Amino acid sequence: DAKTTQPPSMDCAEGRAANLPCNHSTISGNEYVYWYRQIHSQGPQYIIHGLKNNETNEMASLIITEDRKSSTLILPHATLRDTAVYYCIVRVGYSGAGSYQLTFGKGTKLSVIP
Amino acid sequence: DGGITQSPKYLFRKEGQNVTLSCEQNLNHDAMYWYRQDPGQGLRLIYYSQIVNDFQKGDIAEGYSVSREKKESFPLTVTSAQKNPTAFYLCASTVGQGPGELFFGEGSRLTVL
Repeated sequence: DAKTTQPPSMDCAEGRAANLPCNHSTISGNEYVYWYRQIHSQGPQYIIHGLKNNETNEMASLIITEDRKSSTLILPHATLRDTAVYYCIVRVGYSGAGSYQLTFGKGTKLSVIP
Repeated sequence: DGGITQSPKYLFRKEGQNVTLSCEQNLNHDAMYWYRQDPGQGLRLIYYSQIVNDFQKGDIAEGYSVSREKKESFPLTVTSAQKNPTAFYLCASTVGQGPGELFFGEGSRLTVL
């Protein structure tokens, strides 16, 4: 799976949009971009994923650059409950009989400030 | 509601003892995974299973063992051979095909005294 690079920490004012960047310059054509978050001492929570088109769901938006070498997760109106570590992961969608695993790095610790 | 249940949430054991962490899912997922997380670190894959009665080692399988006798269950045993067992353990599952999401349990925190 392609390696990702994320800033170790970010701050965001409550009510403002939080934009979390991720670099994945070695991503392959069949690899998806996934975002998860982990609130302290809980299991990670899936947020969103995409291949090349921008995606939006009830939690967030995912913007992937045209060359697919980087992406941005957008939380449109951050709340205090969004304070968590956010993980950006890239991997193939399905590898048949092989592994189907996600490699988590250290992520970005997002602090939403009142 | 469907989900993944891990137990116990907290576990204390003496050094040299084997411990088994339970993971049960009622999502009808084929694939299940065990991850380990140390403070300030990301997740590292211990073992995974694509189907019943089959499982593969992940990146840090030494000192751990698993079984997959039922689709719903994927218990992890931390053996005395694991040199640094104190950690936060996470179980996860997914449908098994396609680029779907990984569902996680709430984790089990093991402390070896």
